Amino acid sequence: DIQMTQSPSSLSASIGDRVTITCQASQDIRNYLNWYQQKPGKGPKLLIYDASNSETGVPSRFSGSGSGTDFTFTISSLQPEDIATYYCQQFANLPYTFGQGTKLEIK
Amino acid sequence: QVQLQESGPGLVKPSETLSLTCTVSGGSISAYHWSWIRQPPGKGLEYMGYIYYNGRTNYNPSLKSRVTISLDTSRNRFSLKLSSVTAADTAVYYCARLYCSGSTCYFDYWGQGTLVTVSS
Repeated sequence: DIQMTQSPSSLSASIGDRVTITCQASQDIRNYLNWYQQKPGKGPKLLIYDASNSETGVPSRFSGSGSGTDFTFTISSLQPEDIATYYCQQFANLPYTFGQGTKLEIK
Repeated sequence: QVQLQESGPGLVKPSETLSLTCTVSGGSISAYHWSWIRQPPGKGLEYMGYIYYNGRTNYNPSLKSRVTISLDTSRNRFSLKLSSVTAADTAVYYCARLYCSGSTCYFDYWGQGTLVTVSS
């Protein structure tokens, strides 16, 4: 299985801050990576697919980049409603695998 | 707008079979891949498997031969069965639509999730 390693596992930031989360794959996955946002008690929500494409309706402050084994997810200006846990997920090989998550909190 | 809703028992005894159903509304199940994903309390997400509308399945090898996903097109729903459960199978279970087109795949619609506890 492809292992996905996210960092940090938790992050505290202030409103308006630029926030960056990284995800590293254990092998080359090209751009076959998605990012999801999960709020407490809810199912995850797709934000970014194919490493850098925004899902319809997702605010422009969310973006993704990277290819191969190293990927980055960025929130350009943190808003209160962005408090959630964020997951990366690879679809290069089955079984699909997720990172362990990054819990984002307000400082 | 496609919506998914999980249903089934919230408590299952060890060694028994966990059974859940996902009802799809706002769209036909006779297209796309339909998946189950679970999340143990306080932990990350684990892909369990999918079923394509033509009946083709894929299962996570970590679940070995314990998992079965089936489709009921007449009721626009799909189901999960997980046999020989243990406490390690306690989790929130999500159903999700897996959209695949060309070289891309992503889970674009998710249910709210249902907590299943394995305990005697």
